[in-house]
Amino acid sequence: EIVLTQSPGTLSLSPGERATLSCRTSQSVSSSYLAWYQQKPGRAPRLLIYGASSRATGIPDRFGGSGSGTDFTLIISRLEPEDFAVYYCQQYGSSPLFTFGPGTKVDI
Amino acid sequence: EVQLVQSGAEVKKPGESLKISCKGSGYSFTSNWIAWVRQMPGKGLEWMGIIYPGDSDTRYSPSFRGQVTISVDKSISTAYLQWSSLKASDTAIYFCARRGNRSAYFYDHWGQGTLVTVSS
Repeated sequence: EIVLTQSPGTLSLSPGERATLSCRTSQSVSSSYLAWYQQKPGRAPRLLIYGASSRATGIPDRFGGSGSGTDFTLIISRLEPEDFAVYYCQQYGSSPLFTFGPGTKVDI
Repeated sequence: EVQLVQSGAEVKKPGESLKISCKGSGYSFTSNWIAWVRQMPGKGLEWMGIIYPGDSDTRYSPSFRGQVTISVDKSISTAYLQWSSLKASDTAIYFCARRGNRSAYFYDHWGQGTLVTVSS
C-alpha cells in the first residue's frame, strides 16, 4: 500500500501570500496518478489539479502543481480569501486503488 | 451539467441496515466509474470502493471489503452504498464521486455528501 504524507499539517498565512503544500508518497508514483483537491467546511471536495500539474476546468491559474517520483507540490501563488480550506492529495495505486493524504489546512 | 445528487441525512441505531444513493445526471452514467468516500467527523477522506455502472465491476478498499456493499442500478442512473448492520463507528459523511473517465486517475464531480449518524 502506498502511503501519502502531507506537510505541513496546518499553514497559517495571510491573503496575498504564497502557499506551498507538500505531498510525499511512500513509493514512486507516476505523475499521471497524482491529484489535488480543495475542501471547504461542510462542502464536498473539489478537483484542483490532476496529472500532478494540469488544472481542472475552471480552476484559477494561481493554483499550480508540480513534482514527480515521490515528491509533489501544490502552490497557490497569491492567496485569496476563498482559498482558505483543507487541501488533499490523492494517488492511484494497486490496493487500495485510490488513497488520499491526510490533508493540509490553510488558514489565516 | 454533470450532477451527482445524494440521498438525505440518516439517523440509525446500531445493528440497523441502511442503503444510501447517488443519482447521476448530465452525462452517460454507464461510462464513468463511481466511487464512495468516507469522511469521519473532523477527519480526512478515505476511499472505500468503486463501481463501473456499465458492467457493475466493483473494487473495494481492503479496509472496507466485507463491511459495506456497493451496487448500481443503471436503469435509473443510481449508485448505492449499503450496510447490513451499522456500528457507531460508521457515523460519517459519505460522498460519491465520478471518476474522470475510464482511464482517469481523479474524481472530477462529487455529490453533496450524505451524513449518516449511528447512535443508540
